[in-house]
Amino acid sequence: KAGVTQTPRYLIKTRGQQVTLSCSPISGHRSVSWYQQTPGQGLQFLFEYFSETQRNKGNFPGRFSGRQFSNSRSEMNVSTLELGDSALYLCASSEGYSGANVLTFGAGSRLTVL
Amino acid sequence: AQTVTQSQPEMSVQEAETVTLSCTYDTSESDYYLFWYKQPPSRQMILVIRQEAYKQQNATENRFSVNFQKAAKSFSLKISDSQLGDAAMYFCACNTNAGKSTFGDGTTLTVKP
Repeated sequence: KAGVTQTPRYLIKTRGQQVTLSCSPISGHRSVSWYQQTPGQGLQFLFEYFSETQRNKGNFPGRFSGRQFSNSRSEMNVSTLELGDSALYLCASSEGYSGANVLTFGAGSRLTVL
Repeated sequence: AQTVTQSQPEMSVQEAETVTLSCTYDTSESDYYLFWYKQPPSRQMILVIRQEAYKQQNATENRFSVNFQKAAKSFSLKISDSQLGDAAMYFCACNTNAGKSTFGDGTTLTVKP
């Protein structure tokens, strides 16, 4: 079974630009969640999708958005990039949205904003 | 609000020795699940161990075990017979059926040969 695939793995943007990150979950997994990882802030929850519906959203500004497609693939978008958006963005998938579900993480997309 | 606190930013252990990583949590939910995840350097985060809050028995996975103290809202991870491959950042997490996973800030574990 293929793992969680995130693309691109690395990217460099400048302030004011926008970026779209992609996540393909494990086959059969219908829940996808996104996290921002920074050295000082640990893992911060961005949002979670299940069957194309956003179930939960973290405390991030409206510049951060996401969506999920019918094949469970998910994208997140960050508009008007700021220096503080530099981080590792992790996607995780699980079979469902029960709290018991184990998250399977992708390798992450490392975003650098200059 | 749900919180998870890992009070040890860094820990070190000698190879073959035992180390305990601390985690405390707070949630208003009665039904929740606790996890420890491991993130090796430049590698993907993987599950170490899971504990259902309704189970009194502490979870064990080979050299990894937890000490779950529900009343104290404490969920520590014990690694026995530490190996070089255990070097990683360890994250404690709390999940509820509402769907949101809350992670601690992580503990970086160094294993000395």
